[in-house]
Order: sequence, then C-alpha cells, then structure tokens
Amino acid sequence: GDSVTQMEGPVTLSEEAFLTINCTYTATGYPSLFWYVQYPGEGLQLLLKATKADDKGSNKGFEATYRKETTSFHLEKGSVQVSDSAVYFCALSSYNFNKFYFGSGTKLNVKP
Amino acid sequence: DTGVSQDPRHKITKRGQNVTFRCDPISEHNRLYWYRQTLGQGPEFLTYFQNEAQLEKSRLLSDRFSAERPKGSFSTLEIQRTEQGDSAMYLCASSLRQGSDTQYFGPGTRLTVL
Repeated sequence: GDSVTQMEGPVTLSEEAFLTINCTYTATGYPSLFWYVQYPGEGLQLLLKATKADDKGSNKGFEATYRKETTSFHLEKGSVQVSDSAVYFCALSSYNFNKFYFGSGTKLNVKP
Repeated sequence: DTGVSQDPRHKITKRGQNVTFRCDPISEHNRLYWYRQTLGQGPEFLTYFQNEAQLEKSRLLSDRFSAERPKGSFSTLEIQRTEQGDSAMYLCASSLRQGSDTQYFGPGTRLTVL
C-alpha cells in the first residue's frame, strides 16, 4: 500500500544552517507530494507541493523536488531561522485523492 | 476564506462517556476528511465525505465511531463508550472538489480520556 517514510527527529540546527529533511514514498500510480508544517499549538499548514515528476515545490525559502526515480521528496532550506522551529510532515495523496498518507513527522529545533 | 474550524479545541472525558466533535470546512469545499493523530505520529486517515455522502472509512474507524455530514456542510464525529486508547488529536480537513489534491486542515480537537 501507499506509505511515506521520513527521517526521524529531532533535528537541531543553528540559525542560518542548511536544512535537509529526507522523505521517501511508496505509491500506486502517480501521487501528488506535499510538505506540511505544524507550529506549536497550531494545525497543519501546507508548506509546498509538487504534482508530477521533476516538479519543484517552493515556499518561504523551502524547496522540494519530486524525484520519481528515487521515490523521494526531500525538503531543503538554505538558511534556517528560529521561526522555522516546528514539526514537518511529508505526505502523499492517494491516486484518487481520497486520503493523504503522512510520514511520522520530523521536529526541527533552530537555536539562535 | 475563514479556514477550517473545529469545536471544541480540547475535550476531557471519562472512560465510557460519549463525545461529539464538530468540523466546519471552508465554505465552497465539498470534500471533508477526518484524521486522527497520536503523539509523535503523523495523521492517520479515518473517513471522508463527498458532499453528504460518506464514501470511505478506514479500518481504524471502529463501530464506536460514527461520522455524519447531514447537509453537505459541517460534519460531526461521535465516539461512543470512549476508551483511553481514543486519546488523540482529531483533525478535520477539506478540499475544493473531486480530483483536487490539496487538503486544508483545521486546528484539531484534542481528546483526553481519563
């Protein structure tokens, strides 16, 4: 069945460091891929998405490229800020868009 | 666009009691989804509605759980005879139309069963 695997956290970085959070997936057909972010005490917010192979999603300095050959959608940011501290979830939509499959989340702590 | 809203935000109940949660989706969205999220895990799909029709249910949704969306607008999720294992965050999401892949999430209802 469809599934998402993402790197375990927590990830602790200093401000302005480079961020990579790995995400790989298994899916039937050609899913869309997403990164959601959850700030403390808040709901899930869409960060970025990509709908087909080789698409790059980007938002707020974050980027991720849909790699069909490696079934990956790694999240990157060149220079993290303290305000980026949150839990990041990788997700894919089922082929019929009836549900999402989420990874277990990666907690990011950014220290000043 | 007021976003997806959920009520209550927190619910504490005793084992064996019934609880009901409400979700109001974004107004023009005709798809509505329920997920459950336990500590340290990602959300897990429970069920979804296309307008008022409940089209899919997860095996996670035991017979103590029931969801409705009577007029194709707001939805309710009821848990009967709650158990401690039901303690979790219950998330609601909505999307615009069939085939639309982006789901917008509400803030969730955190349930604690004592």
